[in-house]
Amino acid sequence: DTAVSQTPKYLVTQMGNDKSIKCEQNLGHDTMYWYKQDSKKFLKIMFSYNNKELIINETVPNRFSPKSPDKAHLNLHINSLELGDSAVYFCASSQAGTGGALLTQYFGPGTRLLVL
Amino acid sequence: KQEVTQIPAALSVPEGENLVLNCSFTDSAIYNLQWFRQDPGKGLTSLLLIQSSQREQTSGRLNASLDKSSGRSTLYIAASQPGDSATYLCAVSNDYKLSFGAGTTVTVRA
Repeated sequence: DTAVSQTPKYLVTQMGNDKSIKCEQNLGHDTMYWYKQDSKKFLKIMFSYNNKELIINETVPNRFSPKSPDKAHLNLHINSLELGDSAVYFCASSQAGTGGALLTQYFGPGTRLLVL
Repeated sequence: KQEVTQIPAALSVPEGENLVLNCSFTDSAIYNLQWFRQDPGKGLTSLLLIQSSQREQTSGRLNASLDKSSGRSTLYIAASQPGDSATYLCAVSNDYKLSFGAGTTVTVRA
């Protein structure tokens, strides 16, 4: 049983297109995240949702819009794709601790986005 | 702003040698520190989580230490095996987010 799943695994598209990536977790966690890993393998937080409420938005262009229909799902929609959006996007989930702490994070397998 | 640095960036050792991976962070107001493993083309797998009040955490051949006041953590992997070849990332938790280092890529030669 996959704990954190993402679809699609690979996404190749043209500049200017709009695309979505879906994420689902079956761990019962209350917090979900989107990370971007660039070509240098550096992993950076983009968004964090706790109980369907946005709590972290790390100066990501507003072409990126996360949507959390329920606690188990966090989708990422990207408008007007640009070449620089090419990266691996990871979804993750965890239980939030108290006072800003995060417990162990569980990652999905990643979505490899290539913008041509 | 929290900055996390991992040294060295890459490491190659013969099988059986012990591995020492270093992580440093600039803001000591953390809740915990987590070590992850990433295999090529895969997601991250959590290895260890050390609470800010702990000094070390052990799991099998893995041992991680934390010196919060000096902003340092070390991951020790005993008796390395070729299957330990991967990229190891550390991340610190504060304000509901993890800040990651760039990772140390480990190659264990058979």
